[in-house]
Amino acid sequence: QKEVEQDPGPLSVPEGAIVSLNCTYSNSAFQYFMWYRQYSRKGPELLMYTYSSGNKEDGRFTAQVDKSSKYISLFIRDSQPSDSATYLCAMSGNTGGFKTIFGAGTRLFVKA
Amino acid sequence: KAGVTQTPRYLIKTRGQQVTLSCSPISGHRSVSWYQQTPGQGLQFLFEYFSETQRNKGNFPGRFSGRQFSNSRSEMNVSTLELGDSALYLCASSPTDSLTYGYTFGSGTRLTVV
Repeated sequence: QKEVEQDPGPLSVPEGAIVSLNCTYSNSAFQYFMWYRQYSRKGPELLMYTYSSGNKEDGRFTAQVDKSSKYISLFIRDSQPSDSATYLCAMSGNTGGFKTIFGAGTRLFVKA
Repeated sequence: KAGVTQTPRYLIKTRGQQVTLSCSPISGHRSVSWYQQTPGQGLQFLFEYFSETQRNKGNFPGRFSGRQFSNSRSEMNVSTLELGDSALYLCASSPTDSLTYGYTFGSGTRLTVV
């Protein structure tokens, strides 16, 4: 079983839709949770960063962490064609070495 | 402020050869990490360097090695290339560590082994 599970999609939605992206994890030592966005032929860019449980909002993006369920989510409101990209969840903590583990990434297509 | 710069952007090598990839982190960033990205395995952690010392290492064979220089620039080397080494190699930098700051990634080096 992978430490971080993420549905690779693809996920296709119409412009303006609310998008929900999710990851589950197995290691309870993870304390730092991130979402990265990766456009084609580019490196990932940090989108959201959350420490421990709770919600964080930044514009159209909301990140949620539920440590009791080992489940994290990213919501995108009023999705735009420019949001079309691969979204990777990532998490890290004192897991015997401070490494950041990434999910497989979900490909999102927002249709105009 | 310049981002993370990786060179070269594309490489084609023959099986059995070796290759060296270069990464210049954001100015002031002292931590440099390397990842391998493939469609099947996603992003796999190779190693992290901080102040010229390897601080963390992933589960890759010894053919994969790296180093960091006093100016924080980093190189990774892959010897005796195999077809399965074809991938996008990403370098990421952080001020001190990725836990509290997250990564800033470069655009990667696309390595093709034929």
